[in-house]
This record gives sequence, C-alpha cells and structure tokens, in this order.
Amino acid sequence: DTAVSQTPKYLVTQMGNDKSIKCEQNLGHDTMYWYKQDSKKFLKIMFSYNNKELIINETVPNRFSPKSPDKAHLNLHINSLELGDSAVYFCASSQGRGGANTGELFFGEGSRLTVL
Amino acid sequence: GENVEQHPSTLSVQEGDSAVIKCTYSDSASNYFPWYKQELGKGPQLIIDIRSNVGEKKDQRIAVTLNKTAKHFSLHITETQPEDSAVYFCAATPPTGFQKLVFGTGTRLLVSP
Repeated sequence: DTAVSQTPKYLVTQMGNDKSIKCEQNLGHDTMYWYKQDSKKFLKIMFSYNNKELIINETVPNRFSPKSPDKAHLNLHINSLELGDSAVYFCASSQGRGGANTGELFFGEGSRLTVL
Repeated sequence: GENVEQHPSTLSVQEGDSAVIKCTYSDSASNYFPWYKQELGKGPQLIIDIRSNVGEKKDQRIAVTLNKTAKHFSLHITETQPEDSAVYFCAATPPTGFQKLVFGTGTRLLVSP
C-alpha cells in the first residue's frame, strides 16, 4: 500500500497551459510538502502545509498555488506554464511540523513535468 | 538562510571499498542533519540522521559524523555493494519550529562490481 502517492507520474504540456498534480498520503501525518527537483537534481522546498494550514511558502512564483483540502491531501496547481517549470515535483509528508518534532520525510515517487 | 554544500558531486568506487561524502552548512543554529538516498525514478528515502547533540551515529554499514564547530558532517559507507549505487543527499534544518530541510546538491555514487 503506497504511503505517499502522486498523480500523474508524467505530464507533458505546452507553454501557457494550466496543470495540476495531486498528492495523497495514508500515513496519518499532519504535515505535507512540495519539493521541486531540477535537471541537476537540486531539491528545493516550495510549500509546506500543517493540518491544512500553509506554514512554508518559499519564493515561488504566484503561478504556483497549493491547496490542501484535508491533511491527507496536498495538490499543486500551476498556471501559465513556462519552460523553466520543467522539473520533477515531489510530494512528501512527515509527522509533526518541525522544531523539536523534526523527523523523517516520506517522499512520493515524483511527477515529471515537461513543458514544451 | 541555511546553505548546504556537498561534495563530491560524483564518486566511483569498487565493490567492497568505503565511500565518504562530505557536507558543510552555514547556519550554526541548525540542529538536525539527515541523509537521503534517491534511487533512479524514485523519491528520496531517509537512510540515517543525526542531531546536533550527537557526534556520531552508526547503522550497520553506514555512519554519520558531525563536527558542530566546523559546521560539517559526513556520510561513511563501508563494504559498498552495487545496490548502494544511487544519488545521496545531505540536508540540514534550523530550529525554526517548522520542518524546512535544506538539501545539499547531491552525490552520485557508483559502485562497480
């Protein structure tokens, strides 16, 4: 039974389109994240939600809008896609929101977005 | 903010050799240092972590050391096996109250039989 699942796994689209990536975790965690991994494998946090509340919002263009309908789901919607958005997007979850409760991140398998 | 540097970017060893990957961090307040392994087509997976009140931690063939004064930490893999081939990431997180891992740039480890 997959712990953190993302859909779709692959996404190919044209510049200017809008697309969404969905993420679900069945671990009972209360914190979820989106990370972006570029072509050089660099992993950078984009957003973090704790119990549906946005707690981390890195300097991400506002074309990216995360939504957490409940603590088990975190979706990422991207408007007006650009070539530079091509990357692998990873969803992750953890128990606790950090600080003294910092613990393991469980990652999904990634969603590879290619913008043509 | 925190900045993590990692080297080498690639490391090739023969099966049975040891491998060492090194990271430095910039924020002296960072207190949690995990290592993640990413296999091809998969998400990163935690392999070992260390907190700032500990200098060394071992788990079978892998160990991590932390030097708080120098602000660097290292991953040591002994008796490497082909299945150890992957990209390894170090990370650090400051005690902001939020889980905000800052990753290093990754090391591609190749273990040849």
